[in-house]
Amino acid sequence: GNSVTQMEGPVTLSEEAFLTINCTYTATGYPSLFWYVQYPGEGLQLLLKATKADDKGSNKGFEATYRKETTSFHLEKGSVQVSDSAVYFCALSEYYKLSFGAGTTVTVRA
Amino acid sequence: NAGVMQNPRHLVRRRGQEARLRCSPMKGHSHVYWYRQLPEEGLKFMVYLQKENIIDESGMPKERFSAEFPKEGPSILRIQQVVRGDSAAYFCASSLGQGESNQPQHFGDGTRLSIL
Repeated sequence: GNSVTQMEGPVTLSEEAFLTINCTYTATGYPSLFWYVQYPGEGLQLLLKATKADDKGSNKGFEATYRKETTSFHLEKGSVQVSDSAVYFCALSEYYKLSFGAGTTVTVRA
Repeated sequence: NAGVMQNPRHLVRRRGQEARLRCSPMKGHSHVYWYRQLPEEGLKFMVYLQKENIIDESGMPKERFSAEFPKEGPSILRIQQVVRGDSAAYFCASSLGQGESNQPQHFGDGTRLSIL
């Protein structure tokens, strides 16, 4: 079956630091890959996505590249802000069903 | 520009009562998905519905849980005879497409269910 494993948190950073959250997946076919972000008390918001190998998703300074050879989709941001504090979820979908990682809590300190 | 609307935001029930969670998809979306998030965990798929049809309920517990998406009105997730283990955040998502893997699902803010 499909599964997603992402780096455990929590992660605490200072403003302007570099952020990486590792995500690897197991899938039987060729899934689409996503990063979602969840702010406290809110639902998930789609941050970025990639639908095929070597695609790079990007949004709001975040990037992730679909690596088929390493089955990975690591999230990176070069300079984080306090407003980036949230829980980040890596997810994959084949057809309609999303499978999520456990989430990584990121706290950015001023 | 209404997104996915869920209500109530918070719901408190006593053991043995019924819980009804409602979800109105984004305008124009006819595909609805329900997910459950237990504390400190990621979301787990429960059910996928289209108007008047349950497409996949493989993630739903076999007893006490049911879901519907009528021709008119919101989708409803119903939990009968709730138990403490049902305490969780329940999220609804909707999509525009035919359930293809590259159609993004848009999430509501969730209903946080607490069982006393």
